[in-house]
Amino acid sequence: QVQLVESGGGLVKAGGSLRLSCAASGFTFTEHYMSWIRQAPGKGLEWLSYIRYSSDYTYYGDSVKGRFIISRDNANNSVYLQMNSLTADDTAVYYCARVTQWGLGLDYWGQGALVTVSP
Amino acid sequence: QSALTQPASVSGSPGQSITISCTGTNSDVGGYKYVSWYQHHPGKAPKLILFEVTNRPSGVSDRFSGSKSDNTASLTISGLQAEDEAHYYCNSYTSSGTLVFGGGTKLTVL
Repeated sequence: QVQLVESGGGLVKAGGSLRLSCAASGFTFTEHYMSWIRQAPGKGLEWLSYIRYSSDYTYYGDSVKGRFIISRDNANNSVYLQMNSLTADDTAVYYCARVTQWGLGLDYWGQGALVTVSP
Repeated sequence: QSALTQPASVSGSPGQSITISCTGTNSDVGGYKYVSWYQHHPGKAPKLILFEVTNRPSGVSDRFSGSKSDNTASLTISGLQAEDEAHYYCNSYTSSGTLVFGGGTKLTVL
């Protein structure tokens, strides 16, 4: 069965960096785009980024463009989110998700990783 | 990249039908068929319930249906059940190649 497991969350000081990992299993990783989404406390879902099959194209939301970098390792079925210049506004639960092969839906999600940025 | 507009809350009684709207622009909702909907119960991972406006993933109840007209997409839930109480989010592809969520709608089953 499809599984996505995030890791790397934790407490970081403002201005610092953190790298999230998402280990995928149960499907052919190279056949799917992968995406990151977050939910800040008391807020809605915010799409952050997605990466195509072979890392040739990456896309970002305005709030993280220039600060976050998405990457993937197809040999290890993993996707990453390098987060730099963190602020308190980046405090959230971060989810990785698989993108459907058709329709750009996000059909499987991880359980989420909590990132807390302290002032 | 502004969030799509959804009502903050909707409610209905068991057995009734409700509709949640999702309004964007012709650069997102109106320009593409790539609108999806998600159900989110607190503390759990969001669940895809519709993609490409009207398509249900395997295992999703046919009580969930979708439509789109111009710049507004809609999610209809028929035969409301207590377990449908959750937050619902729409999402659309945009002309920039990015994705954008709506602000979310809290559904209360009375």
